[in-house]
Order: sequence, then C-alpha cells, then structure tokens
Amino acid sequence: DAGVIQSPRHEVTEMGQEVTLRCKPISGHNSLFWYRQTMMRGLELLIYFNNNVPIDDSGMPEDRFSAKMPNASFSTLKIQPSEPRDSAVYFCASSSRAGLAGGLSSYNEQFFGPGTRLTVL
Amino acid sequence: AQSVAQPEDQVNVAEGNPLTVKCTYSVSGNPYLFWYVQYPNRGLQFLLKYITGDNLVKGSYGFEAEFNKSQTSFHLKKPSALVSDSALYFCAVRDIGFQKLVFGTGTRLLVSP
Repeated sequence: DAGVIQSPRHEVTEMGQEVTLRCKPISGHNSLFWYRQTMMRGLELLIYFNNNVPIDDSGMPEDRFSAKMPNASFSTLKIQPSEPRDSAVYFCASSSRAGLAGGLSSYNEQFFGPGTRLTVL
Repeated sequence: AQSVAQPEDQVNVAEGNPLTVKCTYSVSGNPYLFWYVQYPNRGLQFLLKYITGDNLVKGSYGFEAEFNKSQTSFHLKKPSALVSDSALYFCAVRDIGFQKLVFGTGTRLLVSP
C-alpha cells in the first residue's frame, strides 16, 4: 500500500489567496483526520471524519477553514482567505475501525501522511 | 478530559546506552495509550500501543513501553540507543469518543555517537 498520500508537499502562497490541501487515505480505512503542526502550538487536531461524515470539527480555527470528504478515498482542507499565521505543516491521517463499537478494533492506530508545508507570505 | 504529559522537552543519550522517554496520563476510565515517532520532514509513525493485557508492550525498531497504572505512566524505553533513533517522540491517549487521539507536546531525543 502507498500509505496516506497528501498533495501538494509544499505550498507557498500570498495572503488572501485560497489554499486547498488534498489527502487520499489508505484504502479500506474509514476514519480520516486533519492535523496542523507548528513550533508554537505543537500538533493540533483540526477535524476528523468517520465514514465520510465530519464527527468533530472543534479544532478548526475559524470560518476561513473548511474540510470535506466527498468519498472514502479523498478529502480536502481549504483555507480561504489564507493568512500568514496559517503557515504550518498540515498532516492527514487515516485509520480503520472494523468491528462493533467498543471493540478493541476501535483503538486502531492512525497512519500519517508526509504532510503539506504551507507558507503564507 | 483525557490528557497526556511529556515532562521533558529533550532527552540526550549516548549511543549504546539505554533510553527512556517519559509520559504520564490522566484519563477517565481505561487508558488506551500510543507512542509515535516523527523524523525530520516526515509524518508521525506509529511505534506501539497499550490497550489491555501485558504491561510491557513491544513495538517497532526495538522500542518498548511500560504501562504503570499506579503511577499513571507509559514510558517509552529502548535498551540500547542508536544515533538513528534521534527524532521527536509523541505520547498519545485515545479521547473519550470516536477514534480521536490527544497528543502530548513531544520530546526530542538526541542520541550522540
């Protein structure tokens, strides 16, 4: 398996521009997570999906951020308009959750993509 | 709320010596704990997890972790450090809810030759 795929790997844009980050989870995984990592704030969970449905978006910093998962093999994180403080590395991760709720399979590990380094000038 | 603490920003170890990276947890209910490693310019990689059973969990690259309920700790260990083990290590706990993990602040491990 190719693992979690993210694109682009690097993005440099100017303040005010729209940025779209893309993620392809591991085939068969039904949970997808978007994280942001900065030196100041560490690793932050932005939003996660189960079976393409957003479950918890409490980490999304503000309305400028939006995420979608139109199908099981693709997700996007969009920032519009972008600001310099959005500069960070954005990670996508996926995991599987086979079995019944509360079963041990609920605690499967997450597999991370290589990240997208975003620089907003 | 579930949380983990990594009290050390950095750990320095000489190659060949044993290493320990500390993690303590605070949870409601049973703890489900994880360790991840991040090499420079890479995503996080899963090392090991504790769900239930034996308190000593073995993982990738020769790492192991000891779950200690009385001390609410889940320290990462390796008997003999390698220079290539130098990386950022994250402890995490499964949050109450659906698959969400809460990560610690990370500990940078530097292994000197």
